[in-house]
Amino acid sequence: NAGVTQTPKFQVLKTGQSMTLQCAQDMNHEYMSWYRQDPGMGLRLIHYSVGAGITDQGEVPNGYNVSRSTTEDFPLRLLSAAPSQTSVYFCASSYGGRRGYTFGSGTRLTVV
Amino acid sequence: QQQVKQSPQSLIVQKGGISIINCAYENTAFDYFPWYQQFPGKGPALLIAIRPDVSEKKEGRFTISFNKSAKQFSLHIMDSQPGDSATYFCAAWIQGAQKLVFGQGTRLTINP
Repeated sequence: NAGVTQTPKFQVLKTGQSMTLQCAQDMNHEYMSWYRQDPGMGLRLIHYSVGAGITDQGEVPNGYNVSRSTTEDFPLRLLSAAPSQTSVYFCASSYGGRRGYTFGSGTRLTVV
Repeated sequence: QQQVKQSPQSLIVQKGGISIINCAYENTAFDYFPWYQQFPGKGPALLIAIRPDVSEKKEGRFTISFNKSAKQFSLHIMDSQPGDSATYFCAAWIQGAQKLVFGQGTRLTINP
């Protein structure tokens, strides 16, 4: 049981490049979310999903896309990277929101 | 905009003392309030949680106090230990919207 797996752990992008942050969970959790963590800002919700085929926007969705074709995977796509997207990104999953989220170990992204 | 306001941003406590972190909210649709603990380089991990129909919940040295009328809740760490040094996040689950939002975080340092 690997829990929530995020890849890559580190990434450097040039402004304007696109990329996909991968997130997979093997706990059969319906709920999955993407957060970004910035100093002094806490964890801000980017996008979330309550099941396969269902996604919705969080607090800071601009510049990011998601899809949920399977229960296990919830990739986050950066369409055209900007320096403001330099952050640590966390994926999390839960069987039901009130049962608590399990977080991955994060992806540290730097956009230059 | 942050829907959960957390304070202080940083806190230094002597070993054996009581650490207190406060959170406040406005949205009455919140119906579950977890706290997460994060060590450097790791993802947040669920520490303790409370429902709004309970005024206090205790698990070992960790206690959540909840004041529904004031829309405030706090984490108390009794007999604080150096191993408690971490960043702590309060969070709130939005009923209906099915999403979890976080406070700004508190960096706690326990001096030996």
